[in-house]
Formats: sequence, C-alpha cells, structure tokens
Amino acid sequence: ETGVTQSPTHLIKTRGQQVTLRCSSQSGHNTVSWYQQALGQGPQFIFQYYREEENGRGNFPPRFSGLQFPNYSSELNVNALELDDSALYLCASSARGHEQFFGPGTRLTVL
Amino acid sequence: EDQVTQSPEALRLQEGESSSLNCSYTVSGLRGLFWYRQDPGKGPEFLFTLYSAGEEKEKERLKATLTKKESFLHITAPKPEDSATYLCAVLHPYNTDKLIFGTGTRLQVFP
Repeated sequence: ETGVTQSPTHLIKTRGQQVTLRCSSQSGHNTVSWYQQALGQGPQFIFQYYREEENGRGNFPPRFSGLQFPNYSSELNVNALELDDSALYLCASSARGHEQFFGPGTRLTVL
Repeated sequence: EDQVTQSPEALRLQEGESSSLNCSYTVSGLRGLFWYRQDPGKGPEFLFTLYSAGEEKEKERLKATLTKKESFLHITAPKPEDSATYLCAVLHPYNTDKLIFGTGTRLQVFP
C-alpha cells in the first residue's frame, strides 16, 4: 500500500510569484486536507477536499486555492507569494471522518 | 475559542527515564483527539486516536490516556530513537475533518 506522497520536496520562489504543490492520497482515501506549518509551530489547517469539492477552510486568504481530482489527488496553489508564506506545507489523506495520514511535506522558501 | 495547549514545550530525558507529556484542550464537544510524532523536516506520523474519557491506547513504549479536559502521552523507559516532537490535535467540533493542533513537545532522549 502506497502512502501519501508530495511533490516537490523543496521549492524556492520570490515574492509575488505563484506556486503549485501536489499531493497523492493514500489508496482507499477520498479526503485530502492541506496544512501550513511554520517553524516551531503546529500545523495550521488551510482547507480540505472531499470528492472534488472544498469541504471546509481555515483562516487563509483567497490567494490560497486548491483542487482535488477524480483519483483523489490534490493540488495547492498559492498566488502572489509573500515572505510569510515560507513554511512546510503538509498534505494529509483520510477516509472521511477517520485518522489523517500525512505526507512528507513540501518545504517552501520565499525570498 | 477551540484550542489545544501542550506542555512542556521541551523535555530532556535520560535513556530509561519515564515521563509524561500533557495536552489540554478546550473544545465544545470532543469528536476525537490524536497524537502524532514528527521528526525534523518530515510529516507527522500517526500514533493514536482517542474518542472518550477513560480511553487508553498503547504502542510499544507509548501509552495515551484521555480525560474530559486533557490527554497524556506516557513514555516508559524511552530510548534515543524516541527523540522527536510529539503533536496533539483535536477534531474541530463542526468543521468535519479539520484538525486543531497544539505547538508540540520537543522530546530529547540522551544515552
């Protein structure tokens, strides 16, 4: 059974640019959640997708957007990058209402 | 406001020295409490789910317990490989699968 995978592993962007992060969910899971983790902090919920629809959103501006595809993989898009967007971005997959299993994360650095 | 507080922020133990990590939560109606282990620069690894007061779960040297206001992660005779950050999270009471995380306890076990 393949676990949650994320790409890329690391990414360096400059302020104002746009970025797309990708996540493949674990087999049998239909829900994907995205989290942002700043250094020394716990993960903060960005949003969640269930069956290709957004199913809840945290306190993040609209420049954070996402997609979920029919195979339940997902993308996180961030427009107009700011320095404070530098963080570890985590994707978690689950069968809805059950434990969330996290991928290895994408480390984004904004210069 | 729904929130999770973990203590201590950091803990240094001698190998074999047992201790406990605390997670206190304020949420209107607990739907689930989760413990994760996170190694530096990696995604959180699922450990336990607890649903109701009095529930206990064990895995190797770890044991998680739950009361109506807090959870404890007991570590018995820890080894250096148990060194990691331990994160506690609760399910948001209304937003289906949103996890609310604490800031974690950084555990160091030295020989």
